[in-house]
Amino acid sequence: AQTVTQSQPEMSVQEAETVTLSCTYDTSESDYYLFWYKQPPSRQMILVIRQEAYKQQNATENRFSVNFQKAAKSFSLKISDSQLGDAAMYFCAYRSAGNEKLTFGTGTRLTIIP
Amino acid sequence: DAGVTQSPTHLIKTRGQQVTLRCSPKSGHDTVSWYQQALGQGPQFIFQYYEEEERQRGNFPDRFSGHQFPNYSSELNVNALLLGDSALYLCASSLFRARGDTQYFGPGTRLTVL
Repeated sequence: AQTVTQSQPEMSVQEAETVTLSCTYDTSESDYYLFWYKQPPSRQMILVIRQEAYKQQNATENRFSVNFQKAAKSFSLKISDSQLGDAAMYFCAYRSAGNEKLTFGTGTRLTIIP
Repeated sequence: DAGVTQSPTHLIKTRGQQVTLRCSPKSGHDTVSWYQQALGQGPQFIFQYYEEEERQRGNFPDRFSGHQFPNYSSELNVNALLLGDSALYLCASSLFRARGDTQYFGPGTRLTVL
C-alpha cells in the first residue's frame, strides 16, 4: 500500500520569505501523480500544484514550485514571497495512474509571520 | 462555472442515528469521491462513484454506503452512527479515467455525533 509522510507538523515563515514543506512517499509503482493541496480555515481543499511522475521537469505555478526527486521518493513544495493568504494546512497527496484514490499525508500547518 | 457543492454545512446527530450527506460535482465532471477527515488528520478515502456504481472502496465498514444519481450528484449515507464518525466529510469530483485528472473538492460537511 502506498503511504505519504509529512514530517513537519508545523512550519512558520516571515512574510515575503521562502519556505519549503517536505513530503516523502512510498510506492512500488512507476506511473503516478503527486499533489499539494492547501486547506485554509474555511476547510475547502484547494489544489496548489500537481506533478506527473513520468515528467522529469519540476512543476511550477506562480510562487509555488516543487522539487520532485523520483528515486528518493521525495516531493517538496517551495513557496516563494510568502503572503498572509498562504497560511493554511498543506497536504501532500499521491495517486496511482490506474487508481482514482488519493492518499494523503497528515499535513503541515503553515503560519505566516507579518 | 459552479464548483463542487455540499450540503448541509454542519450536522449534529446522536449515536445510533442515520445521516445522509449530499454532493453536486463540478460542471463537466462525472465522478464523485468521498473522503473522511478526522480532526488533525489528512482525508481518508471512503469510496468513489461513476455511472451510478461504486467503483472503488477504501477501508470503511458497510455502515458507509452511497449513491450516485443520473445527474452525477451523489449521497453518502452512514448508518448506526458512532462517536468516531465525527469528522469533516469531503466530496471531490473529477472526470473518470481522464489521465491524471485532478480531483476538485467541495467545502465539506462537518458531522458531530453526540
